[in-house]
Amino acid sequence: KQEVTQIPAALSVPEGENLVLNCSFTDSAIYNLQWFRQDPGKGLTSLLLIQSSQREQTSGRLNASLDKSSGRSTLYIAASQPGDSATYLCAGGQDNMLTFGGGTRLMVKP
Amino acid sequence: DGGITQSPKYLFRKEGQNVTLSCEQNLNHDAMYWYRQDPGQGLRLIYYSQIVNDFQKGDIAEGYSVSREKKESFPLTVTSAQKNPTAFYLCASSIPAGAANTGELFFGEGSRLTVL
Repeated sequence: KQEVTQIPAALSVPEGENLVLNCSFTDSAIYNLQWFRQDPGKGLTSLLLIQSSQREQTSGRLNASLDKSSGRSTLYIAASQPGDSATYLCAGGQDNMLTFGGGTRLMVKP
Repeated sequence: DGGITQSPKYLFRKEGQNVTLSCEQNLNHDAMYWYRQDPGQGLRLIYYSQIVNDFQKGDIAEGYSVSREKKESFPLTVTSAQKNPTAFYLCASSIPAGAANTGELFFGEGSRLTVL
């Protein structure tokens, strides 16, 4: 059964810092890896999706990479801003379902 | 605008009552999902449906029921058999992954259920 782990569980950084969020999965037979953002009390917003044939995707200050052989994905956030404060979740797609990690709660201090 | 609408946003229930959470999508997606989120935790799959009139249990289906009579609608009933129903419930939809589709998942804004 697929298990997805996110490290760290919480992270606090000063504004302007570059940071990396980590996601690991136990079964490499995924067809995609999706990163989401969740604000308190809200639903999930899709940030980036990497298909199994791809190595990375970029959107603005966000870059996500995927290494299926090692069971890892990273989300890189450049020049962090207070508005980036949220919980970030990764999820691996398999058999038309996503398995989610526990999330990383990010706080960017002005 | 295309999207997923969940209602109600907040719901309070007495113990022993069944409640139904609504999920409607106008994205023309075949697949729909219900997830449960507890404080500080990730999402756990309750039920999913890949096509009308068909659905499958997820990891935590006990105490829940669903129906899929229309493509755009996937209501979730939280029954009195669910021992700890207080949680945040999220509905999602997607076009199933295939040669031409990424399988990207889209979410509604969620429904928060509190049992008094």
